[in-house]
Amino acid sequence: KAGVTQTPRYLIKTRGQQVTLSCSPISGHRSVSWYQQTPGQGLQFLFEYFSETQRNKGNFPGRFSGRQFSNSRSEMNVSTLELGDSALYLCASTLAGVNTGELFFGEGSRLTVL
Amino acid sequence: GESVGLHLPTLSVQEGDNSIINCAYSNSASDYFIWYKQESGKGPQFIIDIRSNMDKRQGQRVTVLLNKTVKHLSLQIAATQPGDSAVYFCAEILNAGNMLTFGGGTRLMVKP
Repeated sequence: KAGVTQTPRYLIKTRGQQVTLSCSPISGHRSVSWYQQTPGQGLQFLFEYFSETQRNKGNFPGRFSGRQFSNSRSEMNVSTLELGDSALYLCASTLAGVNTGELFFGEGSRLTVL
Repeated sequence: GESVGLHLPTLSVQEGDNSIINCAYSNSASDYFIWYKQESGKGPQFIIDIRSNMDKRQGQRVTVLLNKTVKHLSLQIAATQPGDSAVYFCAEILNAGNMLTFGGGTRLMVKP
């Protein structure tokens, strides 16, 4: 079956703009998580959605937000972009329930902020 | 997904040798510890996990060891192959949610 699909794969924005990234999870997966990956900070958890509700949130400012739709697809939005927001944004999905840590990641959306 | 690249510790091994990648974790309350592999241009891929009440678990060519006394996790790869070249991340999770806390990563380079 198809894996996690993220769009767009690459994008360039300027400071102050906003961006919306999209994630389609594996069919049947109801939990979607977002991670930011940078050379300096590594992989950091942003938030997790399950059944259209944010279930967990990482330590990021309010400029970072997300949502999940009834078909489990998810979007994340970053407003008022800063240079430091340049990163690879990864989406991961998994079945709901007790989780052993096996997440299925997409290939990411690489955001460059100029 | 080009992974963390600037200051990653690097392990270089000869093809066919065994590799051992180490990781120190921080949260004694974590329920599971996990290893992920990230190849250039791709997202992380799950390799193996171990529950906190175990000290060893084996998979296909991989073994994970957990030492809770010193908060240390290791991944052993037997008969390392060129396809194993990637960045390896350890991670930990609390069962309260799907929030993974990742380590900094180790780059494994396999010499033919």
